[in-house]
Amino acid sequence: DAGVTQSPTHLIKTRGQQVTLRCSPKSGHDTVSWYQQALGQGPQFIFQYYEEEERQRGNFPDRFSGHQFPNYSSELNVNALLLGDSALYLCASSFGRAVETQYFGPGTRLLVL
Amino acid sequence: GDSVTQMEGPVTLSEEAFLTINCTYTATGYPSLFWYVQYPGEGLQLLLKATKADDKGSNKGFEATYRKETTSFHLEKGSVQVSDSAVYFCALSAASGGSYIPTFGRGTSLIVHP
Repeated sequence: DAGVTQSPTHLIKTRGQQVTLRCSPKSGHDTVSWYQQALGQGPQFIFQYYEEEERQRGNFPDRFSGHQFPNYSSELNVNALLLGDSALYLCASSFGRAVETQYFGPGTRLLVL
Repeated sequence: GDSVTQMEGPVTLSEEAFLTINCTYTATGYPSLFWYVQYPGEGLQLLLKATKADDKGSNKGFEATYRKETTSFHLEKGSVQVSDSAVYFCALSAASGGSYIPTFGRGTSLIVHP
């Protein structure tokens, strides 16, 4: 079992650009949640996808959007990148929406210059 | 809103020392409480959890007790090992309008020397 996988592992972008991050959930999981972890901070919940729809959303602007595909994999899109978007982006998957059972991926490190 | 406060790190200990990492929370309702561990270069792993007052979560020698009267969930281990060196996150998940949005603390780095 490969667990939760994320790609790419690292990414460098410039202000104003757009970025897409990808996540494949653990086998048997149908729910994907995305988190932003700034340096020295705890993860902050961005949103959760279940049955290909956004089900819950944290306090993030509309520049952050996502998608879930029929195979349960997911993408996180960020438009009009700001320097403050530099962070580790974590994907977590679970069976059902309960966060207690979620498994985290290793993350994508995004640097915005 | 909900919040989690952890003691600042790094916490530096010698092998076999006793560990305590303090965590207090603020939440409406009755949250579930968690400790996660993050090893270098890896994602977070659930270490233990407690879902109601006076519950004790335990795993791999770590334990924490849900104290509603003091709104605390301190992490303890009787004898740490070098392999326990990692960042530890306290978190809560509380129902709000039918949703369970998790809230994490800032993390506490633990360094264990041989």
